Amino acid sequence: GAGVSQTPSNKVTEKGKYVELRCDPISGHTALYWYRQSLGQGPEFLIYFQGTGAADDSGLPNDRFFAVRPEGSVSTLKIQRTERGDSAVYLCASSLTAGGTDTQYFGPGTRLTVL
Amino acid sequence: ELKVEQNPLFLSMQEGKNYTIYCNYSTTSDRLYWYRQDPGKSLESLFVLLSNGAVKQEGRLMASLDTKARLSTLHITAAVHDLSATYFCAVPSLGDDKIIFGKGTRLHILP
Repeated sequence: GAGVSQTPSNKVTEKGKYVELRCDPISGHTALYWYRQSLGQGPEFLIYFQGTGAADDSGLPNDRFFAVRPEGSVSTLKIQRTERGDSAVYLCASSLTAGGTDTQYFGPGTRLTVL
Repeated sequence: ELKVEQNPLFLSMQEGKNYTIYCNYSTTSDRLYWYRQDPGKSLESLFVLLSNGAVKQEGRLMASLDTKARLSTLHITAAVHDLSATYFCAVPSLGDDKIIFGKGTRLHILP
């Protein structure tokens, strides 16, 4: 079946611009996670959703970052006034439920480059 | 605050050899995950370890979890070139389901 998909695969933008990154989880998965991965590092937790609500957004670095999941399926990560330090690969993962007993399936990521 | 440390961070080894990657974490957790990442690719789940003493094996890889020592190991037996990748362990933060990853171990297996 279809896995987690993310669009776009690559995004190049200029400093100060607004970007949206989209994640389509596996159908039926209630938990959805966003991570950021910088070169040579492990994924860094940003936010996770259980259904439509953000269960934990403590990893969002500042208020320029925001994520939504209005219908409990697709999620969008929104970054305002992008900075060069936001350049990274943004990974989305979904699992059947939260709580960690279910495997997280990762999408291919969106590589964001802020010039 | 939960911290997850892996060592070594880089490992170059010959085909046919055995080696172990270690993952230590700083606060109580009863679960641990291992992932593989190939260059330019996303993460692939290898093992989900759900209890103290859990041991799982898949091919030449075997993972174990000791929750009392806050330690997991990923053992590679008779390494082959196809196992070259970066391996991450990840631990859920107790009580909030946030998952913290280690920095990864980049494994390079020489033919």
